[in-house]
Amino acid sequence: EPEVTQTPSHQVTQMGQEVILRCVPISNHLYFYWYRQILGQKVEFLVSFYNNEISEKSEIFDDQFSVERPDGSNFTLKIRSTKLEDSAMYFCASKTSGNTQYFGPGTRLTVL
Amino acid sequence: AQSVTQLDSQVPVFEEAPVELRCNYSSSVSVYLFWYVQYPNQGLQLLLKYLSGSTLVKGINGFEAEFNKSQTSFHLRKPSVHISDTAEYFCAVSDQGGFKTIFGAGTRLFVKA
Repeated sequence: EPEVTQTPSHQVTQMGQEVILRCVPISNHLYFYWYRQILGQKVEFLVSFYNNEISEKSEIFDDQFSVERPDGSNFTLKIRSTKLEDSAMYFCASKTSGNTQYFGPGTRLTVL
Repeated sequence: AQSVTQLDSQVPVFEEAPVELRCNYSSSVSVYLFWYVQYPNQGLQLLLKYLSGSTLVKGINGFEAEFNKSQTSFHLRKPSVHISDTAEYFCAVSDQGGFKTIFGAGTRLFVKA
């Protein structure tokens, strides 16, 4: 069964550094998402992406964040200058035109 | 805008006992409703979903949920839990355009022997 994959599984970075989290959505999916989950808290929506542009974004998704689909398979989340509070699990999700999002296993980002 | 409230942060229960995890939502538009499970150090797995039609929805691992529009609830139930059901359970709602999913705070189900 096709799955959403994410790399790396764990990323450690220094405060102020740029990070890129990578996702490979399921191949025939059209809608792509990023969510984050701070340790012990709920899963929060960051951004949705469709037809090569952002469809919707939350107030968390400020100018420090950007998303890109650089080729036909990858979907990336870039954090320009990481802060301590960016430490979280980041989940990528994708879906077809239907109603169910399929989530990847997540990337744990630790900012020191 | 939508919101989701999970009424219990933790639910301890003995093995083979029934369990209900409560979820209420609010929305000004029609929505789809979901329950996800997250095992320790893993991603989110879809348990079940309500889109339309029958208000009783059956999912994987013996779970079911009932959509109650008048009470804006979507409670998750299982008649007999196993130790392996110990996990975090998230109720979620999305608008029918599907551009984002809003999650509840989660309920930690702890099954004791």
